[in-house]
Amino acid sequence: EAGVAQSPRYKIIEKRQSVAFWCNPISGHATLYWYQQILGQGPKLLIQFQNNGVVDDSQLPKDRFSAERLKGVDSTLKIQPAKLEDSAVYLCASSWFPGELFFGEGSRLTVL
Amino acid sequence: GQQVMQIPQYQHVQEGEDFTTYCNSSTTLSNIQWYKQRPGGHPVFLIQLVKSGEVKKQKRLTFQFGEAKKNSSLHITATQTTDVGTYFCAGSHNTDKLIFGTGTRLQVFP
Repeated sequence: EAGVAQSPRYKIIEKRQSVAFWCNPISGHATLYWYQQILGQGPKLLIQFQNNGVVDDSQLPKDRFSAERLKGVDSTLKIQPAKLEDSAVYLCASSWFPGELFFGEGSRLTVL
Repeated sequence: GQQVMQIPQYQHVQEGEDFTTYCNSSTTLSNIQWYKQRPGGHPVFLIQLVKSGEVKKQKRLTFQFGEAKKNSSLHITATQTTDVGTYFCAGSHNTDKLIFGTGTRLQVFP
């Protein structure tokens, strides 16, 4: 069974630039999550999708972050414009509903 | 807001010693999950606890869910170098929204 795929693995940008991350969940998993993990901290939920609908986005900074999950499969997370404090690993996870989360390898963002 | 705290933040042990991390929620949890994250890796699911007072074992790992469903613990017996990593608890409060704890970083010296 293929795992959760994420790209790019690494991205370095300057502040005020934009960046996009892509995630393809495990086939058949209806629930998809984007977490932000700052170095030394636990993952923080940004947004949760059930199929292509948003279940929770209460901690998504909507002035600069956006996410979509078209057709209820893969998803993109965009940051525009980026700030220094956005430097983190962006983890995508998927699950049957409810249940254990399967995480991708993550996308490490450095904002200079 | 909902918070999940873990103690200790760091733990250094000699190989063969035991290790315990504690997880505390500000509100009652419907269930709790535990994950392990190796250095440079991503969180990997270990177990889920649902019932009040539940105890589950996986080889040298023992997981416990408190009677009030507001706290949990993970105990590792006779640590090995392969146990190195950060252990996170993650709790749900009547929804499927999973809130991760602050994590306990375990270092094992041979």
